Amino acid sequence: NAGVTQTPKFRVLKTGQSMTLLCAQDMNHEYMYWYRQDPGMGLRLIHYSVGEGTTAKGEVPDGYNVSRLKKQNFLLGLESAAPSQTSVYFCASRTPRTGTSYEQYFGPGTRLTVT
Amino acid sequence: AQRVTQPEKLLSVFKGAPVELKCNYSYSGSPELFWYVQYSRQRLQLLLRHISRESIKGFTADLNKGETSFHLKKPFAQEEDSAMYYCALSGGGSYIPTFGRGTSLIVHP
Repeated sequence: NAGVTQTPKFRVLKTGQSMTLLCAQDMNHEYMYWYRQDPGMGLRLIHYSVGEGTTAKGEVPDGYNVSRLKKQNFLLGLESAAPSQTSVYFCASRTPRTGTSYEQYFGPGTRLTVT
Repeated sequence: AQRVTQPEKLLSVFKGAPVELKCNYSYSGSPELFWYVQYSRQRLQLLLRHISRESIKGFTADLNKGETSFHLKKPFAQEEDSAMYYCALSGGGSYIPTFGRGTSLIVHP
């Protein structure tokens, strides 16, 4: 199993440009998440999905859109990039609850710089 | 509402010294607590969870409901323990974990 993969690994955008980050998982997980990681801020949830065709806003959704057309893919879009969106983006998926617990699996991250 | 506080941004110790990374949480029900670790330029990975009561890489963490804490401990730090550590909380069967801001552990030779 490849686990959780993210494309691309690095990207530099100019202000106002758009792009889509792709997250793919091969573990048949229902739940998927997009986080951004910034120094001193930890991990902040952007959007999440509890199944194919569903999405919901997290803590910091402004400026981002998502889609979950297929169970294995979760796309994060930036329609008009801003310097404040310079960050490392992590995707994660989650195992079903077994007993009383679960585990999140994270992708390797996408380092995005907006100039 | 659920909240996780990691009071230390940075913890610096020498090899062989004991380590304690603090995690305090706020949640009124029964929490599920986790520690995730991120080595330099790598993805986050689960280190341990309170429900398993396990020891991984010499680390342990005990849930103290009275003090609402889930501190991560290791008696003798190793250089390879240098990483960013995140405490995370899920409450009431929630599928949205809340992460703390992380503590960077540096172990000096």
